[in-house]
Amino acid sequence: GAVVSQHPSRVICKSGTSVKIECRSLDFQATTMFWYRQFPKQSLMLMATSNEGSKATYEQGVEKDKFLINHASLTLSTLTVTSAHPEDSSFYICSAQTGTGTEAFFGQGTRLTVV
Amino acid sequence: QKEVEQDPGPLSVPEGAIVSLNCTYSNSAFQYFMWYRQYSRKGPELLMYTYSSGNKEDGRFTAQVDKSSKYISLFIRDSQPSDSATYLCAMKSGAGSYQLTFGKGTKLSVIP
Repeated sequence: GAVVSQHPSRVICKSGTSVKIECRSLDFQATTMFWYRQFPKQSLMLMATSNEGSKATYEQGVEKDKFLINHASLTLSTLTVTSAHPEDSSFYICSAQTGTGTEAFFGQGTRLTVV
Repeated sequence: QKEVEQDPGPLSVPEGAIVSLNCTYSNSAFQYFMWYRQYSRKGPELLMYTYSSGNKEDGRFTAQVDKSSKYISLFIRDSQPSDSATYLCAMKSGAGSYQLTFGKGTKLSVIP
């Protein structure tokens, strides 16, 4: 299957700072990328959908000014958690697809801990 | 009623057993069905991808979709300790739709 690389896999940051998470499709061009958040023993919660070259579409309840998404190229999307707080601590996962009707491939996830 | 229901388990089986994992759903528009395996603190890994009703086999894994009953299954034959993980079902409506709807996942432990 296709490879999606997510970096970093783990990050610890101080409250009030910003953290950037990268998601790259290594061997295919991803027209659409998705960002999810996963709480312990819970399923994936979609945060936003990003299409290359356009603004991301955020799910209801997700603060767009706090979770900044940039999809500057067909192989790279970034999620920046701004002014992080302890309640933002979670597992963040990206996925990428080449088009409708195709499989979604996931990155390895990023464990964010805000102290 | 949630769109996708999946028994969270945990499910423990002895090595070599046949494992049956299931999801039910309420949205009749779903046409694409997937099973993902997620190891602890890792991203989901796509196992099976099927379109509409029917069976699909890949090695020890068999996926079944029964759209009339809105019921999908994943069977694992000759289960191995390395199969211990959380299994997530996911589905989407298809044409023009990228968005996946996930089940909560079933945690499976295969005991040597």
